[in-house]
Amino acid sequence: EVQLVESGGVLVQPGGSLRLSCAASGFTFNSYAMSWVRQAPGKGLEWVSDISATGSSTYYTDSVKGRFTISRDNSKNTLYLQVNSLRAEDTAVYYCAKTTTRYCSGSCYAPLDYWGQGTLVTVSS
Amino acid sequence: IVMTQTPLSLSVTPGQPASISCKSSQSLLLSDGKTYLYWYLQKPGQSPQLLIYEVSNRFSGVPERFSGSGSGTDFTLKISRVEAEDVGVYYCMQSIQLHTFGQGTKLEIK
Repeated sequence: EVQLVESGGVLVQPGGSLRLSCAASGFTFNSYAMSWVRQAPGKGLEWVSDISATGSSTYYTDSVKGRFTISRDNSKNTLYLQVNSLRAEDTAVYYCAKTTTRYCSGSCYAPLDYWGQGTLVTVSS
Repeated sequence: IVMTQTPLSLSVTPGQPASISCKSSQSLLLSDGKTYLYWYLQKPGQSPQLLIYEVSNRFSGVPERFSGSGSGTDFTLKISRVEAEDVGVYYCMQSIQLHTFGQGTKLEIK
């Protein structure tokens, strides 16, 4: 059974930083690209970032470029999202999701077939 | 790519059909012949779940009452007979140019 368990969400002040983690199990983690998607309170889904299976390719939505960094440790079956210079508009539940592809070239060209339960990041003073 | 869903909400009597439209600002057909359009359902208090991939393929475990159709820039999700467990917000998503979701369509039961 595929399991994705996010952690690291907290209340943080504007301008602050934190690292989100997503522990994966039930599939061969190093064979699949992974994604982060967020959902602001009461709002829709917004894709944030993708990373290829090896970590060699990464992609970001424009609003987080230069502030967020996606990474992975395939030896630990864990996906990360380093979030810096946080703004109020970054307040959201952050979901990690598995794709169905290994490679990404310009785009990962794949659905997000399994999702974690999400972790809440609140940016407020 | 902008994804536009209509309607944004609908209320359906159990046993009746439902239909949701999704239009993309660019064609989602790639040179490999695949169309990178997906449908998700987010039930209340839950994470999104994949329903349909590549326009019309039901994901594992998805009931046959869900079907997807369309091509190019116009797509439709249909539920042949709505059940109480189908309530939630439905999203379309494209993956031909990174990922973009539609605004979501909230399905309620009458």
